[in-house]
Amino acid sequence: QSALTQPASVSGSPGQSITISCTGSSSDVGGFNYVSWYQQHPGKAPKLMIYDVTNRPSGVSNRFSGSKSGNTASLTISGLQTEDEADYYCCSYTSSRTYVFGTGTKVTVL
Amino acid sequence: QVQLVESGGGVVQPGRSLRLSCAASGFTFRSYAMHWVRQAPGKGLEWVTVTSYDGSEKYYADSVKGRFTISRDNSKNTLYLQMNSLRAEDTAVYYCAKDQNGNCDYWGQGTLVTVSS
Repeated sequence: QSALTQPASVSGSPGQSITISCTGSSSDVGGFNYVSWYQQHPGKAPKLMIYDVTNRPSGVSNRFSGSKSGNTASLTISGLQTEDEADYYCCSYTSSRTYVFGTGTKVTVL
Repeated sequence: QVQLVESGGGVVQPGRSLRLSCAASGFTFRSYAMHWVRQAPGKGLEWVTVTSYDGSEKYYADSVKGRFTISRDNSKNTLYLQMNSLRAEDTAVYYCAKDQNGNCDYWGQGTLVTVSS
């Protein structure tokens, strides 16, 4: 199972919006509405930010939103803040009843 | 509050075995599936394995299938990962994570496994 494809880096200025893509196949992203997104700060454990493509866990800012079109899922961060600088990973359930993570995207706040 | 504490990591020679543990508290452990996810130094996250709430179903990444075994003891609120025939490429921080409908909603802080001679 190959990792889902994400851009290596995305940057934006405070207050701007950025979008991170996550591309898979019909066997994972495109086949199920089980895409999640995780934020990871250096040296810390990942934190769930979005689940089931579009849902936010309690306590996660509404500046984070998710969507999906075909085999590509996306995470949008609006009103970018300095604390959003981190690595972000998508994750999808697969037709093999396993899971696969994306390659990861480093978000830089300029 | 949910707490997951991994242990058992360390330095091990290639070809040897190691067992990781994950002690869970703050939720009804026996009701939830559990995952192991790893992260090699400076690299991304890699999903390793998942077990159903009762241990009856287990699935593995191709990279560890046949070498790693996930198990759980619901009487002890503990998740395990038995790792055999370890390779240098298994060097990573290993996280356990609680499942919520297919998503990893809580994570431990991880335990480092280094495979080196």
